Amino acid sequence: DTEVTQTPKHLVMGMTNKKSLKCEQHMGHRAMYWYKQKAKKPPELMFVYSYEKLSINESVPSRFSPECPNSSLLNLHLHALQPEDSALYLCASSQDRDRVVGELFFGEGSRLTVL
Amino acid sequence: AQSVAQPEDQVNVAEGNPLTVKCTYSVSGNPYLFWYVQYPNRGLQFLLKYITGDNLVKGSYGFEAEFNKSQTSFHLKKPSALVSDSALYFCAVRDMGNDMRFGAGTRLTVKP
Repeated sequence: DTEVTQTPKHLVMGMTNKKSLKCEQHMGHRAMYWYKQKAKKPPELMFVYSYEKLSINESVPSRFSPECPNSSLLNLHLHALQPEDSALYLCASSQDRDRVVGELFFGEGSRLTVL
Repeated sequence: AQSVAQPEDQVNVAEGNPLTVKCTYSVSGNPYLFWYVQYPNRGLQFLLKYITGDNLVKGSYGFEAEFNKSQTSFHLKKPSALVSDSALYFCAVRDMGNDMRFGAGTRLTVKP
């Protein structure tokens, strides 16, 4: 199983809503990532979890809240978002962030629209 | 610090012709280089990587890339392009201690 699964594929929410994006991998990877991607732009790193601990928070606003319940799951909780937060949110995983320099495996993304 | 540049926003080739998508990098240590492809409304798919060893790296779907240390380049190539190769291509770099950094992307269009 070499898949990273993201749900939902599409999400429309108002600025006062609370919603969550979910990501799952069963490759035994110990690093998981959230990226934000605007149209025709490269992915921008938001958060990195290594061995279920938050390693990197790239100055992301607090209206985005990550959570890593276990080594296979990664969530991104959304609250009080702004229309400019509309983007494709990509989850990725890799074997190990610090001891192995390997490729990232990406999910298909969650397309978020904030009204 | 690490960075990667893709000098071309757009590359157009005719089906059956060879294609090249350019990438140059800058790292302080040994470079670890990657190519990804993205189809519309999809995630990024890994194509190939250079970690160490042979400068010519072969990857998925007939793609290959040549690592050139003196020119700090890692260009993506394919001998014969297909219409289905049309997509957005990202070069990426990382070194130990840093997370992956992506180039701005190159849109490849292969015309029949």
